[in-house]
Amino acid sequence: AQSVTQLGSHVSVSEGALVLLRCNYSSSVPPYLFWYVQYPNQGLQLLLKYTTGATLVKGINGFEAEFKKSETSFHLTKPSAHMSDAAEYFCAVRTINNAGNMLTFGGGTRLMVKP
Amino acid sequence: ETGVTQTPRHLVMGMTNKKSLKCEQHLGHNAMYWYKQSAKKPLELMFVYSLEERVENNSVPSRFSPECPNSSHLFLHLHTLQPEDSALYLCASSPRWAGTGELFFGEGSRLTVL
Repeated sequence: AQSVTQLGSHVSVSEGALVLLRCNYSSSVPPYLFWYVQYPNQGLQLLLKYTTGATLVKGINGFEAEFKKSETSFHLTKPSAHMSDAAEYFCAVRTINNAGNMLTFGGGTRLMVKP
Repeated sequence: ETGVTQTPRHLVMGMTNKKSLKCEQHLGHNAMYWYKQSAKKPLELMFVYSLEERVENNSVPSRFSPECPNSSHLFLHLHTLQPEDSALYLCASSPRWAGTGELFFGEGSRLTVL
């Protein structure tokens, strides 16, 4: 069965500092991996996804993530944090069962950005 | 604008009320989902509908009753709720079998049960 672990439920960085949000997954098949962002009282918005091909994936708002099969990781990074990046971030892996496509989500990481 | 619209955005109800949440998707997808998001808890998948048929029901109490009249609309009927049911309810849609598995979410309905 697929699962996702996000290390650190809360991460705090200073404005302009590197953002690193960690995600490790387990999957019995080649994974499709996703990062979503959620701003307060809003739904989840796709930041980026990895399916096949290039392992470094670029997303919106300057974020990127690298798929590392040997480490079963898909960490999210941004070189320089902005105040508007403060939000909750969710990593997810695709599952297929009799219900069709499903996503298994990690517990989320709340990113705080200090001025 | 994600193509998935939820109404109402905010709802306050007493424990004896009956209300409904509505979700509409304009993406041509054939699967729709209800998720519950409570404070300090992971996202909880509640129901999955595919082609108007319920294909997954994750042990949700019967006070939550889903309805999917067609592939574009999904409802969550609420009755005799408890204060612990207060949460953000998220609707999502996707192609059931095709595509990457990406879910498209609505903005959510914030429910407060008094």
